Amino acid sequence: AQSVTQPDIHITVSEGASLELRCNYSYGATPYLFWYVQSPGQGLQLLLKYFSGDTLVQGIKGFEAEFKRSQSSFNLRKPSVHWSDAAEYFCAVGGGTGGGNKLTFGTGTQLKVEL
Amino acid sequence: NAGVTQTPKFRILKIGQSMTLQCTQDMNHNYMYWYRQDPGMGLKLIYYSVGAGITDKGEVPNGYNVSRSTTEDFPLRLELAAPSQTSVYFCASGPGQGASNSPLHFGNGTRLTVT
Repeated sequence: AQSVTQPDIHITVSEGASLELRCNYSYGATPYLFWYVQSPGQGLQLLLKYFSGDTLVQGIKGFEAEFKRSQSSFNLRKPSVHWSDAAEYFCAVGGGTGGGNKLTFGTGTQLKVEL
Repeated sequence: NAGVTQTPKFRILKIGQSMTLQCTQDMNHNYMYWYRQDPGMGLKLIYYSVGAGITDKGEVPNGYNVSRSTTEDFPLRLELAAPSQTSVYFCASGPGQGASNSPLHFGNGTRLTVT
């Protein structure tokens, strides 16, 4: 069964500081990996995705993530955090074939940005 | 360009009441999903559908029912509401198997309280 672990429940960073949110996954085949962001009272918005190819993927809002197969990780990074980045971030894993393309989500990381 | 639309946004139910959460998408997506989100638990899949007339259980289907009579609509039914069903419910859609590497599109959620 596929699973996702986000070990950090809450993270606080200062505006302008760099950010790394951790994500580890378990999946029996080649994973399809996603990062979503959720602002209060809103649905989930896709930040970036990895399917194959270059292991460093770029997303919206200046975010990037690196797929490391040997570590089963897909960590999200941003060089300089803005106050508007405060939100909850979810890592998700899904399969490319069969199974209804269901996504399994991590429990989320709440990001707080100090001004 | 509506995307995925959920109604209502908020609802309070008494124990034992029933209700239907509506979800409609205008992107002609084959795949649709219902998730529930509880604090610290991430998103859990309730039911999903890979096309009109086809539905299947997800991780937490007990207490819920779904139908998929059209491509656009995927309502979620609660027959006998229980306090454990207090949650935020998200509907999502995706293009499906042929484009399984495409991300899911989420609605803005329905916040349900059962008292």
